[in-house]
Amino acid sequence: GENVEQHPSTLSVQEGDSAVIKCTYSDSASNYFPWYKQELGKRPQLIIDIRSNVGEKKDQRIAVTLNKTAKHFSLHITETQPEDSAVYFCAASIGSYIPTFGRGTSLIVHP
Amino acid sequence: NAGVTQTPKFRVLKTGQSMTLLCAQDMNHEYMYWYRQDPGMGLRLIHYSVGEGTTAKGEVPDGYNVSRLKKQNFLLGLESAAPSQTSVYFCASSYPSGSVGDTQYFGPGTRLTVL
Repeated sequence: GENVEQHPSTLSVQEGDSAVIKCTYSDSASNYFPWYKQELGKRPQLIIDIRSNVGEKKDQRIAVTLNKTAKHFSLHITETQPEDSAVYFCAASIGSYIPTFGRGTSLIVHP
Repeated sequence: NAGVTQTPKFRVLKTGQSMTLLCAQDMNHEYMYWYRQDPGMGLRLIHYSVGEGTTAKGEVPDGYNVSRLKKQNFLLGLESAAPSQTSVYFCASSYPSGSVGDTQYFGPGTRLTVL
């Protein structure tokens, strides 16, 4: 089955810096890659996703890039703010099939 | 439109006790899932359902049973709770659009402690 590795497990940055979280996947058939944000004590919520027919997608301060050849995708957050502090999960799936999640990255943004 | 709801929000059990967690969604989603979340382990799939009356095992199904008698409800049962089942449980649902990628909508979670 699919295996998703996520790094780093913890990321600490200063407010205003950029943050990058990387994920690799094993199944070359995977074609959908969502990212979820989970604030402390809250539920995971989708923040951005990318499909395998595009290499990059951007939404304001967040962007996701996908390298199908290398089977890795990354989340980029620019101009980080304290409210960006949360756990971020990547996932990979084949179409509508069950997604496989990474283990999560705890992002801490220091004011 | 309440989205995905879970009952109860918190529960403390003694080893050997049983309980049922209820997940309900009002979005007419076909797919429903149960995950457990433990520190450093991410979200691990326990069981899932692709439609009313169907269920299937996920990554960590041992010690749990599920039922999907109605499309909007997905129940997770623990027949004989063990301390290893102390965790936060999330229910999620999605609508298989047939295209690539479907967003999962998560419930608020149930924090379960087994003593």
